[in-house]
Amino acid sequence: DGGITQSPKYLFRKEGQNVTLSCEQNLNHDAMYWYRQDPGQGLRLIYYSQIVNDFQKGDIAEGYSVSREKKESFPLTVTSAQKNPTAFYLCASRNRGRDEKLFFGSGTQLSVL
Amino acid sequence: ELKVEQNPLFLSMQEGKNYTIYCNYSTTSDRLYWYRQDPGKSLESLFVLLSNGAVKQEGRLMASLDTKARLSTLHITAAVHDLSATYFCAGEETSGSRLTFGEGTQLTVNP
Repeated sequence: DGGITQSPKYLFRKEGQNVTLSCEQNLNHDAMYWYRQDPGQGLRLIYYSQIVNDFQKGDIAEGYSVSREKKESFPLTVTSAQKNPTAFYLCASRNRGRDEKLFFGSGTQLSVL
Repeated sequence: ELKVEQNPLFLSMQEGKNYTIYCNYSTTSDRLYWYRQDPGKSLESLFVLLSNGAVKQEGRLMASLDTKARLSTLHITAAVHDLSATYFCAGEETSGSRLTFGEGTQLTVNP
């Protein structure tokens, strides 16, 4: 079945530690996105990538980094510079055409120990 | 920069009643998306509205788009408990590269 796989489902970070959230899609989509969702709030865009080896900052990129070395993979690293990382992180993808809806992964809940 | 506002943010309604969720956006955007999210879950696509006057319906939900008023609506007809969820609208910037989401409307349908 085609879809987007995020792992792990739950992740705990110690202070000063970098952690990486995985996002893999087998939908052959060009564009991939990372969103952060805080309790009771909407989604805020962290980073997005339209094609391999290219990505752009979203609205809240500080303290995060990404890479897009393969079309199907778009990992997100939460660095120690992100002082308030506790949130639900959602990865999404779609084709590059503007008529295309986003498909979302099941999310990763990140908490600080 | 595109901004998207939804109202109400919280909606409690009785089964069998009708109601409308409103989604206003700030700049030109001729693409509007509606998503549903259940607690602790991911987002599920409901509707994609691609042009002015577009109307789409699925079951008890109907969405419409008025690009001149910069307004989309999600109308709920004869609500049932299974519709309890958070509903998000999202607009797309004219560059076509990213979606901006509203804060979401948390809908609770009571028996």
